[in-house]
Amino acid sequence: GENVEQHPSTLSVQEGDSAVIKCTYSDSASNYFPWYKQELGKRPQLIIDIRSNVGEKKDQRIAVTLNKTAKHFSLHITETQPEDSAVYFCAASGTGTASKLTFGTGTRLQVTL
Amino acid sequence: GAVVSQHPSRVICKSGTSVKIECRSLDFQATTMFWYRQFPKQSLMLMATSNEGSKATYEQGVEKDKFLINHASLTLSTLTVTSAHPEDSSFYICSAQSGQVNTEAFFGQGTRLTVV
Repeated sequence: GENVEQHPSTLSVQEGDSAVIKCTYSDSASNYFPWYKQELGKRPQLIIDIRSNVGEKKDQRIAVTLNKTAKHFSLHITETQPEDSAVYFCAASGTGTASKLTFGTGTRLQVTL
Repeated sequence: GAVVSQHPSRVICKSGTSVKIECRSLDFQATTMFWYRQFPKQSLMLMATSNEGSKATYEQGVEKDKFLINHASLTLSTLTVTSAHPEDSSFYICSAQSGQVNTEAFFGQGTRLTVV
């Protein structure tokens, strides 16, 4: 089955700096890669996703890049703000059972003033 | 986006009792629902895939007789934790999707289960 690795596990940046979180996946058939933000005790919230037919997608301060050959994808947050502090999860899904997501281990992002 | 409602949000039960958690899609028909378990400071681990009108598909290592899943309608799936033990204490979250492959998953608000 699919295996998703995520790094780093914790990340501390100063307000205004950029943050980058990286994930690798194992199943070359995976073709959908969402990123979720989860605050303590709350549900994961989709912040951006990318499908395998594109290499990059951007939404304001958030961007995701995908390298299918290397089987890795990354989340980029620019101009970080304190409210960006949360745990971020990458995930991957492919064909087969409708959109069964395999999650990475999570990155705890702390944005300091 | 679509709304998925999960109840209860918190439940405390005694060891040996059973607890039922409901997951409802409020404004769309969810042919597939997923149940995840999340321990503190860990990732979401898929427990089972629930398809309307058929038996759930459980992930390896998840006891189907302990975690009963029912998906009787296109808007409701339930997870029953039977004979709960303290090690079952966790955050349980459902997600729902429409019938299309690789569409956005909408998550319920989660249920914090504490078994005492």
